[in-house]
Amino acid sequence: KAGVTQTPRYLIKTRGQQVTLSCSPISGHRSVSWYQQTPGQGLQFLFEYFSETQRNKGNFPGRFSGRQFSNSRSEMNVSTLELGDSALYLCASRSSVSRGEQFFGPGTRLTVL
Amino acid sequence: DQQVKQNSPSLSVQEGRISILNCDYTNSMFDYFLWYKKYPAEGPTFLISISSIKDKNEDGRFTVFLNKSAKHLSLHIVPSQPGDSAVYFCAASRTGGATNKLIFGTGTLLAVQP
Repeated sequence: KAGVTQTPRYLIKTRGQQVTLSCSPISGHRSVSWYQQTPGQGLQFLFEYFSETQRNKGNFPGRFSGRQFSNSRSEMNVSTLELGDSALYLCASRSSVSRGEQFFGPGTRLTVL
Repeated sequence: DQQVKQNSPSLSVQEGRISILNCDYTNSMFDYFLWYKKYPAEGPTFLISISSIKDKNEDGRFTVFLNKSAKHLSLHIVPSQPGDSAVYFCAASRTGGATNKLIFGTGTLLAVQP
């Protein structure tokens, strides 16, 4: 099976702009989660989607949003970018029958100037 | 509030010796624990997991031990190899509900010296 794919891999934006990141989960996985990794905060949970519904949301401002499509692909959007949004954004997918193992994509490196 | 803690930011070990990475948690509701390995510019790779009903799980060179009373888990790598050099994250979750979000520790950088 192909793994989790994320596009784009690298992105440079300026403050105030918005950005959309894309994730395609492992075939058959219906749960998709997003995480933000920064040097100071480590890996922080953003949100989880299952069957097009958001099931959980982390402690991030409303500028961070996401959605999931009927084919389980997911997008996350960050509006009004701030310098502190510079991070590695990771997408992970999970099988419905797994106890908790999530499988991560390579991430999108976002740099905000 | 850091619910999952990895107090050692780095660890250096000689090739062939044992690597022991430690992780502590505070939330007694966590019932599933995982270890991930991460190279720079890549996503974390799942290594091994353990349910709270067990105290040990083994997979090849990797063994995870769970001490629920101490809220402590550890990952043992035997024998350590230079290719094991990476950042290791422990993670915890509460299963059985509608969501399985992972709470990660801050990671330990393992360097295996040839």
